[in-house]
Amino acid sequence: DAGITQSPRHKVTETGTPVTLRCHQTENHRYMYWYRQDPGHGLRLIHYSYGVKDTDKGEVSDGYSVSRSKTEDFLLTLESATSSQTSVYFCAIRSKGTAGNTIYFGEGSWLTVV
Amino acid sequence: TQLLEQSPQFLSIQEGENLTVYCNSSSVFSSLQWYRQEPGEGPVLLVTVVTGGEVKKLKRLTFQFGDARKDSSLHITAAQPGDTGLYLCAGGLLNWGTSYGKLTFGQGTILTVHP
Repeated sequence: DAGITQSPRHKVTETGTPVTLRCHQTENHRYMYWYRQDPGHGLRLIHYSYGVKDTDKGEVSDGYSVSRSKTEDFLLTLESATSSQTSVYFCAIRSKGTAGNTIYFGEGSWLTVV
Repeated sequence: TQLLEQSPQFLSIQEGENLTVYCNSSSVFSSLQWYRQEPGEGPVLLVTVVTGGEVKKLKRLTFQFGDARKDSSLHITAAQPGDTGLYLCAGGLLNWGTSYGKLTFGQGTILTVHP
């Protein structure tokens, strides 16, 4: 447990509506990530952050935006949700420990777009 | 784009059998991580291998990183029903600093161990 909390854990929304997923961490980690997980694709990186107000795109960033106004919160926004964005979304942090850099994941947010 | 090909995608075996999961790429990775994920939860790190040829053991699980750091394998001896889950490999790029810790994941292997 790396002190990661995702909210909401489950959400059903209609096509075209905006959705924001929140990732909250309590251990002051600099690096944070948003991944999505779909059958047959493993996890794919959407966006990541390397500090407050410092973010960049991952491999599947189209249709998503992020914001990080403070260290502990990394928000993922779907401006206008589509059915293809139905997925499980995982937030992750990078922790630098004695074993080197390790990525820890939150418990996931299940999003269904109908 | 760096890709990791994981095989097999599905594995259904009886308790007590051995199994191996493979993770292959044409790209070189600085590290290779293996995760296990249970339904409704996030992936949990099992091991990280960083040196070409490295072998790590975690009880009945043996992890190996290829000499060229392009492939890895996970071997489970005498599988148990508690080993059931999704196993994911993930490669880290050569320089953590410039790569920002981004990982490339394989597609995953769904393992079912029957009693």
